This record gives sequence, C-alpha cells and structure tokens, in this order.
Amino acid sequence: SQQGEEDPQALSIQEGENATMNCSYKTSINNLQWYRQNSGRGLVHQILIRSNEREKHSGRLRVTLDTSKKSSSLLITASRAADTASYFCATRMDSNYQLIWGAGTKLIIKP
Amino acid sequence: DTGVSQNPRHKITKRGQNVTFRCDPISEHNRLYWYRQTLGQGPEFLTYFQNEAQLEKSRLLSDRFSAERPKGSFSTLEIQRTEQGDSAMYLCASSQGVNRNYGYTFGSGTRLTVV
Repeated sequence: SQQGEEDPQALSIQEGENATMNCSYKTSINNLQWYRQNSGRGLVHQILIRSNEREKHSGRLRVTLDTSKKSSSLLITASRAADTASYFCATRMDSNYQLIWGAGTKLIIKP
Repeated sequence: DTGVSQNPRHKITKRGQNVTFRCDPISEHNRLYWYRQTLGQGPEFLTYFQNEAQLEKSRLLSDRFSAERPKGSFSTLEIQRTEQGDSAMYLCASSQGVNRNYGYTFGSGTRLTVV
C-alpha cells in the first residue's frame, strides 16, 4: 500500500515560474525523500529531509516538512524545461529500510 | 560506470514462462532493494538485502517470486510462471551507510511485458 499522496497529480507552468508540489503521509517517519523520474527511466534522488528538520535547500530545490501535519512540500524555483518529469515523495520509517511511495506529481514546464 | 546497472532493459515473455533479472549495485553499497512500478504509480517495495542477507520481503512477493544476492554483490530477481499482472517496471536500487539517512541510487529498470 502507498503511504504518500502527492498533490497536485499534474502541474503545468511556464518556464521561469516556481513549481510547488505537496506530499502527505500517514505514519511517523524517520525521513522523507523526493525523487524525480523522467518518462520510462529510473528514479533520481533529489533531496532528503530528516524528521527533526523543518526545511532544507539544495540548489533550486527547497523542501519543507511539517511532522504535526504529516506533510511536506517541494519547491522548485526558476523552473526550466529540463525540470519536466514526475516527482515522487517517499518516506522511511524507523522500523525498517523500505521506502513507501506516493503516486507522484507530473510536472510539465512549458518553454 | 559507477551507477546501478540492470539487465535486461526490456523483456517480453509469454505467460507461464520464467524470467530472471539482474542488478549490479554500486560496489560500495551494502544495501540492495527491489521495487516494482506500474504506469502512473509510485514504486512498490518487493524485497531488501543487506549484504547477502534478505532482511525484508513484501507480501506482494508471492511464491512465484524469488530474489538472491549470493555474494553480497549483484542480485537476481526471478519470476516463475509469469502472469499478465506481472507486467511492470522492475527497479533495483542500492544505498550505503549504517543509518537510514541516505537516498537510494536507482538503476534504469527492467520493463517486463507478459503476453
């Protein structure tokens, strides 16, 4: 079963705009990770935020985590056409090593 | 190439046949994972190895599925008596470290089509 739910399911914006994707999850976690996936390809790790962190930055990526609401958001600033991909959040619990995934947000950046 | 390598990239098989996929993780990574992904969905966990030991196995992994990592390096995933519902992308990933705060490195996957 999938723990995470991404919102929106699809997002289409103009190049240069900011893109925000949200993820909600159900159980307490050790960390939350965001991955991107180009069509028909494997997943690429983007950023990880631990349960005791509230915000993290990596280049044009900013991720926030609200454990009281069991939610996270991923912000991509100054989007580029190359950012077009599906973005997935995945959570890891304390009790095991598997990641539990949402269904993803499909992001389209229009040039 | 220091990434995770999966072979074959694509596999088309007839229902009832057996198939085997191979994954070569990053050499320094002692953890290896298999996931399955269908179109429009996130990956679903299948199994996890730490070195050669299979430590976690999903209930999704029926008796027809078996995975091995005999020397703690490469891994194989075998599906016996394939069914059309087995059609999916099979993803392998590896990770390092003694704690959980590392991301996975995924391979490009093996796309299985059962006809």
